[in-house]
Amino acid sequence: RKEVEQDPGPFNVPEGATVAFNCTYSNSASQSFFWYRQDCRKEPKLLMSVYSSGNEDGRFTAQLNRASQYISLLIRDSKLSDSATYLCVVSLTGNQFYFGTGTSLTVIP
Amino acid sequence: EADIYQTPRYLVIGTGKKITLECSQTMGHDKMYWYQQDPGMELHLIHYSYGVNSTEKGDLSSESTVSRIRTEHFPLTLESARPSHTSQYLCASRRQGGTYQETQYFGPGTRLLVL
Repeated sequence: RKEVEQDPGPFNVPEGATVAFNCTYSNSASQSFFWYRQDCRKEPKLLMSVYSSGNEDGRFTAQLNRASQYISLLIRDSKLSDSATYLCVVSLTGNQFYFGTGTSLTVIP
Repeated sequence: EADIYQTPRYLVIGTGKKITLECSQTMGHDKMYWYQQDPGMELHLIHYSYGVNSTEKGDLSSESTVSRIRTEHFPLTLESARPSHTSQYLCASRRQGGTYQETQYFGPGTRLLVL
């Protein structure tokens, strides 16, 4: 079983739409959680960390459900520039990081 | 913006050649990582290092070796390149200490094609 599972999509949404991605992780002892964004043929870049109480950064909201071992990312008012692959990342000890395959998002004009 | 660099950015090489992929960071990070990523697939950890003279193998055995003689430098060597090594190689670094939420910073990657 993979450490991190994501729906690969693709998600094709119109500009202005709200879209949500989910991710599940297998190890209940995981300590840290992140969402990264990866543009085509580029390196991953941190979008936001995910805290136990949930957190928001502008149009992006991340939630963590430890009981169900899933993480979510909500994007409101989608922009064309949000088109990318979103990677769910989980770390057990803060040393090794496990990446999901990513969820592909295309925002359509 | 992360100060982590990888060279070369693109490499086409023949089977059996020895190659070294370079990774350097100027952030003074102790922890460094090498990942391999195929198109549409997740990143797989190849090697990591907690500091100078410390290296460990990751989950993916890629028949490569690494060294960490200086904090800022973490090169990856393939002794004999094979077509199965064709992939994108990403280097990352992370600050030692801090909280569990301390994130990794990635270099721009090296795209390797072995003919």
